[in-house]
Amino acid sequence: DAKTTQPNSMESNEEEPVHLPCNHSTISGTDYIHWYRQLPSQGPEYVIHGLTSNVNNRMASLAIAEDRKSSTLILHRATLRDAAVYYCIPHIIQGAQKLVFGQGTRLTINP
Amino acid sequence: DADVTQTPRNRITKTGKRIMLECSQTKGHDRMYWYRQDPGLGLQLIYYSFDVKDINKGEISDGYSVSRQAQAKFSLSLESAIPNQTALYFCATSVTGGKAQYFGPGTRLTVL
Repeated sequence: DAKTTQPNSMESNEEEPVHLPCNHSTISGTDYIHWYRQLPSQGPEYVIHGLTSNVNNRMASLAIAEDRKSSTLILHRATLRDAAVYYCIPHIIQGAQKLVFGQGTRLTINP
Repeated sequence: DADVTQTPRNRITKTGKRIMLECSQTKGHDRMYWYRQDPGLGLQLIYYSFDVKDINKGEISDGYSVSRQAQAKFSLSLESAIPNQTALYFCATSVTGGKAQYFGPGTRLTVL
């Protein structure tokens, strides 16, 4: 399985952009990169995924390095509701669609 | 209404008791999953089901069993609960070919 490295915690201010990094140097060529987040007392929530090209959706943007060994989740304008643990998940075993959660990055947003 | 619901939301039980956690979904997804989360850690897969007749063990299935009663319902049972099964339990769904999983709100289980 591909290994991931994320900062344990990050802090940002409301209405500012946030860049959440993830290193996944052992990712295989066919593994997608998924991001989920978990708000306090809730189940994980899908954020975004990508393979090679940068991706945008209504929640965030995903920037993927050309060598695919790292990626960055970008929240363009953080709100207090974005305070959560963010998980970078670079490997899903195709059969089970298993999500292998690491410890993630705990994001704190200051008012 | 929530797309993925779990009952109960909280449960306290005693060692040796049989417990059932239930999951229902209105998303029309064919795949369903059960995960557990220990404090401060990520989620671990217990069981998953691709359809009503296809059930598979995950990485930590010992001590657990499941039943897929219908496409929309997936239950997790602890046959004889033990204290180290105290955790948060999440149900999730996905559609074949899709990339995202959709999670329920979780059940907090405490085994005394």
